Amino acid sequence: EVQLLESGGGLVQPGGSLRLSCAASGFTFSSYAMSWVRQAPGKGLEWVSAISDSGAGTYYADSVKGRFTVSRDNSKNTLYLQMNSLRAEDSALYYCARRSQYGSAWYTDFWGQGVLVTVSS
Amino acid sequence: QSVLTQPPSASGTPGQGVTISCSGSSSNIGSNTVNWYQHLPGAAPKLLIYSDNQRPSGVPDRFSGSKSGTSASLAISGLQSEDEADYYCATWDDTLFGGGTKLTVL
Repeated sequence: EVQLLESGGGLVQPGGSLRLSCAASGFTFSSYAMSWVRQAPGKGLEWVSAISDSGAGTYYADSVKGRFTVSRDNSKNTLYLQMNSLRAEDSALYYCARRSQYGSAWYTDFWGQGVLVTVSS
Repeated sequence: QSVLTQPPSASGTPGQGVTISCSGSSSNIGSNTVNWYQHLPGAAPKLLIYSDNQRPSGVPDRFSGSKSGTSASLAISGLQSEDEADYYCATWDDTLFGGGTKLTVL
């Protein structure tokens, strides 16, 4: 059974940093691209970042580029999101998700339960 | 406000059918496949439809997807109470999501 378990969320002051982790199990982690998607309170889903299966390719939404860094440790089956210079508008539930490919198109086939990040003074 | 436009709400009675639309442009839906997700409160989002009209194993055939030009649709037939959830379309390899549609089963 595919499982994605996020951790590392919490309350942080504006300008602060936080590192999210996502422990994966139930599949061959190193064979899949992964992503982070967030949902601010009362809002819809927003893609944040993605990383290729090897970690060589990383991608970011404009809203977080230069502040967030995605990485992975395939030996530990773990995905990370380092978040720096946090802003109030980064407050959200952050989901770790697995990406799969159909032909040349990508989709997200499994999601974690999410971890809450609150940026407030 | 997302560039993919979904109606904020939709509703139907048990057993009825309902369709949720997702409107975009030639630069997004018009040139990329569309995926659909179901999000129940407090739960992880769930993939319903990928690549416009493909249904993952385990998703009931009551759910179907279609696309025409710059718009896509999710059709749900035989509504059930457990279908009450938020539904999101997504494109550009899931880097662009619609604003979501809250489905109420009356």
